[in-house]
Amino acid sequence: QVHLVQSGAEVKKPESSVKISCRASGGTFSSAAFSWLRQAPGQGLEWLGRIIPFIGTADYVHRLRDRVTITADEATTTAYMELSSLRSDDTALYYCAIRGSGDFPDAFDVWGQGTMVTVSA
Amino acid sequence: AIQLTQSPSSLSASVGDRVTITCRASQGISRALAWYQQKPGKTPKILIYDGSSLQSGVSSRFSGSGSGTDFTLTISGVQPEDFATYYCQQFNSLPLTFGGGTKVEIK
Repeated sequence: QVHLVQSGAEVKKPESSVKISCRASGGTFSSAAFSWLRQAPGQGLEWLGRIIPFIGTADYVHRLRDRVTITADEATTTAYMELSSLRSDDTALYYCAIRGSGDFPDAFDVWGQGTMVTVSA
Repeated sequence: AIQLTQSPSSLSASVGDRVTITCRASQGISRALAWYQQKPGKTPKILIYDGSSLQSGVSSRFSGSGSGTDFTLTISGVQPEDFATYYCQQFNSLPLTFGGGTKVEIK
């Protein structure tokens, strides 16, 4: 069974950066599309971007493309999301998600547990 | 980016009621739509993908319909464990986008 395990909670200062990891296990992931999403407190879901490890290039939501970088390490089946120039409104629970098997790679049936990022002076 | 508009934003229902949530896309997305359920403090759980395909392990009281721009999630006989927030998501094109959510509460 496919599992995604994310790194732990982070507290960051404004203008700093944060890098979160998402390790996958229980399947083969070279062709899976790892997406990153976030959910601000009491708010809805926002997709940030995704990467397909064997391709290596990432796609991003336009409004954050200057601040977000998504990478992946095929050898360790780990995806990373780095967000720079942090602001208070980046405070959110950050998720990685994939389709564990079958078609429709962007309909997520496997989610990481979430990583809380708090941006505070 | 494709915008998804869910309605209503919240509703109250009694156990056993039939509940319908709609999701309208700003442009045609074929059947490339998923529905998720999220309970407080929990990760989202996929219910429906490809507009109407029931995710393995999900109760058959959940059903999805629609194509193009108009979609519906129906809960036939809502149960206590179904009180949650529901989101639609399109995967027709990047960026992937979500509806604003529908909170289903107990009447």
